[in-house]
Amino acid sequence: DTAVSQTPKYLVTQMGNDKSIKCEQNLGHDTMYWYKQDSKKFLKIMFSYNNKELIINETVPNRFSPKSPDKAHLNLHINSLELGDSAVYFCASSHSGSYNSPLHFGNGTRLTVT
Amino acid sequence: AQSVTQLGSHVSVSEGALVLLRCNYSSSVPPYLFWYVQYPNQGLQLLLKYTTGATLVKGINGFEAEFKKSETSFHLTKPSAHMSDAAEYFCAVFRDDKIIFGKGTRLHILP
Repeated sequence: DTAVSQTPKYLVTQMGNDKSIKCEQNLGHDTMYWYKQDSKKFLKIMFSYNNKELIINETVPNRFSPKSPDKAHLNLHINSLELGDSAVYFCASSHSGSYNSPLHFGNGTRLTVT
Repeated sequence: AQSVTQLGSHVSVSEGALVLLRCNYSSSVPPYLFWYVQYPNQGLQLLLKYTTGATLVKGINGFEAEFKKSETSFHLTKPSAHMSDAAEYFCAVFRDDKIIFGKGTRLHILP
């Protein structure tokens, strides 16, 4: 049973296109995140949601729009894709965003913009 | 300001040798510290964490880390490396309601 699942696993698209990545968790967690990992493996938080409410919104271009239809799902829509958006995007979840609750990660979505 | 600093982006050890991955944290952050591991083409998974209590923390796969406040360090160790330990390791800290990761250390295991 996959705990945090992301789709698609790979996404290849051209500049200017719009794409979405979906994430679902079956751990019963109430907090979900999007992280971006660049080619040097640096991992940076983008957004987090707690019970469908946006609580962390880092300095991310407004072409990136997260949406949480319920606390088990968090999607990421990206408009007007640029070359610099190429990266691996990870969804994660935790309980209440507490320091005592570890992050559970999906296996990532590798986005390549050509 | 960087909250955690990992010394060495690549570390190579022989199979059976001691593994030591270094992490120093900023003294301005609360000492909620973590080590995560990332195997190829996978997401990160928690190895161990320090929040309060005993400063020597044991994790999965034989890893442990010691919180040393006087040195602002949280180094990760394993007595005997195994080929399956080859991966990317991230030190992390909880700050401002989020987990912030270091830049990672790639561990190579030599046969």
